Amino acid sequence: EAGVAQSPRYKIIEKRQSVAFWCNPISGHATLYWYQQILGQGPKLLIQFQNNGVVDDSQLPKDRFSAERLKGVDSTLKIQPAKLEDSAVYLCASSLAGPMNTEAFFGQGTRLTVV
Amino acid sequence: TQLLEQSPQFLSIQEGENLTVYCNSSSVFSSLQWYRQEPGEGPVLLVTVVTGGEVKKLKRLTFQFGDARKDSSLHITAAQPGDTGLYLCAGGTYKYIFGTGTRLKVLA
Repeated sequence: EAGVAQSPRYKIIEKRQSVAFWCNPISGHATLYWYQQILGQGPKLLIQFQNNGVVDDSQLPKDRFSAERLKGVDSTLKIQPAKLEDSAVYLCASSLAGPMNTEAFFGQGTRLTVV
Repeated sequence: TQLLEQSPQFLSIQEGENLTVYCNSSSVFSSLQWYRQEPGEGPVLLVTVVTGGEVKKLKRLTFQFGDARKDSSLHITAAQPGDTGLYLCAGGTYKYIFGTGTRLKVLA
């Protein structure tokens, strides 16, 4: 079974530029999550999709971040314009159903450096 | 709002020592998961605890879910350098959140 695929693995951009990350979840997984992880800290939930609907995006900085999940499968996360404090690893995860009693499967993440 | 606080934040111990990591919340969780994350990788599931008071063992790792389902602990017996990593608890009823993380370093 193929795992969660993310690209790119690494990205370096200048502040005020834009960037996009792509995620392909495990086939058949209804729930998709995007997390931001600062080095050494726990992942912070940015947005959670159930199929192609948004379950929670309360911690997504909507003035600069956007995310979509087309046809309930792949997802993209965009930052425009980027700030220095956006430097982090962006993790995508998917699970078969919702959060209760679930196991989330993670991609390897995209390490973003904003200079 | 559900929050998960972990303690300690950092732990550096010698090989062979025992340790306990705590995951606490003021909210009740239907279940909690524990993950381990290595550098450059995503978190990988270790265990899920569901029933209040439940104890699960995974080799040298013992996981406990509090009776009130508001807290959990991870105990490692005779730690080894291979146990080094970031340990995370996670759970949620509506949205899936992670704890603040415990970075463990086991010295040979």
